[in-house]
Amino acid sequence: DTAVSQTPKYLVTQMGNDKSIKCEQNLGHDTMYWYKQDSKKFLKIMFSYNNKELIINETVPNRFSPKSPDKAHLNLHINSLELGDSAVYFCASSQILGLPGDTQYFGPGTRLTVL
Amino acid sequence: AQSVTQLDSQVPVFEEAPVELRCNYSSSVSVYLFWYVQYPNQGLQLLLKYLSGSTLVKGINGFEAEFNKSQTSFHLRKPSVHISDTAEYFCAVSENSGNTGKLIFGQGTTLQVKP
Repeated sequence: DTAVSQTPKYLVTQMGNDKSIKCEQNLGHDTMYWYKQDSKKFLKIMFSYNNKELIINETVPNRFSPKSPDKAHLNLHINSLELGDSAVYFCASSQILGLPGDTQYFGPGTRLTVL
Repeated sequence: AQSVTQLDSQVPVFEEAPVELRCNYSSSVSVYLFWYVQYPNQGLQLLLKYLSGSTLVKGINGFEAEFNKSQTSFHLRKPSVHISDTAEYFCAVSENSGNTGKLIFGQGTTLQVKP
């Protein structure tokens, strides 16, 4: 069983569209994250949730809205897609917020291409 | 604010040769340090982490890293690399107080192992 899964793996869409990426973890973790990896492979955190509560929001445009229906799921909805949103988006989870040096487990990524 | 610098964007090396991937960090507070590996078209996987104690940390796949507080470095080493070690390697830090789990990543180092 995949620990952290994301769907879809690839997403190609037109500018201005709205799209969602889904993430699920079966590790029983409390905390989940979204990261963006740009074309130069630089990774930057976007959001984190702990037990469905937003913890980190890293000055991401409000076109991006995370939603956590339960602690095993963290979805990312993006409105009015722009060319600059093209990237690989990674979901991750960790066991307990505040656990020193807690390991984050990453999903396989979703490659978003905006045309 | 924290930052991570990986000094080499690409490291070509021949199979069975030793390798060192360099990482320096900057932080006004104590940090935890991580190395993650990203194989082509996959998510990130933890190689090793330093939380406290012995400054030499051993990880998976024969990798090890040494924490040097005075030089604010956390270089990754392997005495003999394999073709299968070809991947992107990321150094990361997180604060060890007020822990939000936020990881700050370096720019990544591409390790290219040649036969």
